[in-house]
Amino acid sequence: DQQVKQNSPSLSVQEGRISILNCDYTNSMFDYFLWYKKYPAEGPTFLISISSIKDKNEDGRFTVFLNKSAKHLSLHIVPSQPGDSAVYFCAATYNQGGKLIFGQGTELSVKP
Amino acid sequence: KAGVTQTPRYLIKTRGQQVTLSCSPISGHRSVSWYQQTPGQGLQFLFEYFSETQRNKGNFPGRFSGRQFSNSRSEMNVSTLELGDSALYLCASSLTSPSHNEQFFGPGTRLTVL
Repeated sequence: DQQVKQNSPSLSVQEGRISILNCDYTNSMFDYFLWYKKYPAEGPTFLISISSIKDKNEDGRFTVFLNKSAKHLSLHIVPSQPGDSAVYFCAATYNQGGKLIFGQGTELSVKP
Repeated sequence: KAGVTQTPRYLIKTRGQQVTLSCSPISGHRSVSWYQQTPGQGLQFLFEYFSETQRNKGNFPGRFSGRQFSNSRSEMNVSTLELGDSALYLCASSLTSPSHNEQFFGPGTRLTVL
């Protein structure tokens, strides 16, 4: 039972354009969402997060949007840079628990 | 400040054997979580330890077990290895809880089961 789903295994965009990575979830109890970025041969690194009481959170070039009614969140990267090429995972948690549920990941390729 | 370290980085075992992986969290971090990463499945949560106690557990069979020591270092053990256990095993540490503090990941241990 995949509670967090990233339906696009890969995404390719041109440098300077916007990258939009999507994530859907099924559990309405989730109250905190996170995005992680992973380069090959390294562990994932935290990128940005959003609480369920918000619908948007920005950090520099990265913005996460949350649509609770649709159970959908997205990560926008503007402008995209070649160094952003990596696998992006969304994750969710609830009830102040210590358990993060991750999606399958989307591999982003930003072409110069 | 040193990051999360995992040993060994690579491991090759045969079916039926057992394996122990080690994780040293960032100094001062008391929560350690373990994840299994396989192609197409993303990161699947195995378990989380806090102050030497298992606080959360994922949906893995009993062959997967772990423990945490008083210095917060953690080990995970997989017994009776199966081919499907081949994966990247990631350890992550956080101050008190991965849902409320940033979680820092180690580079992982790549386990291959032949």
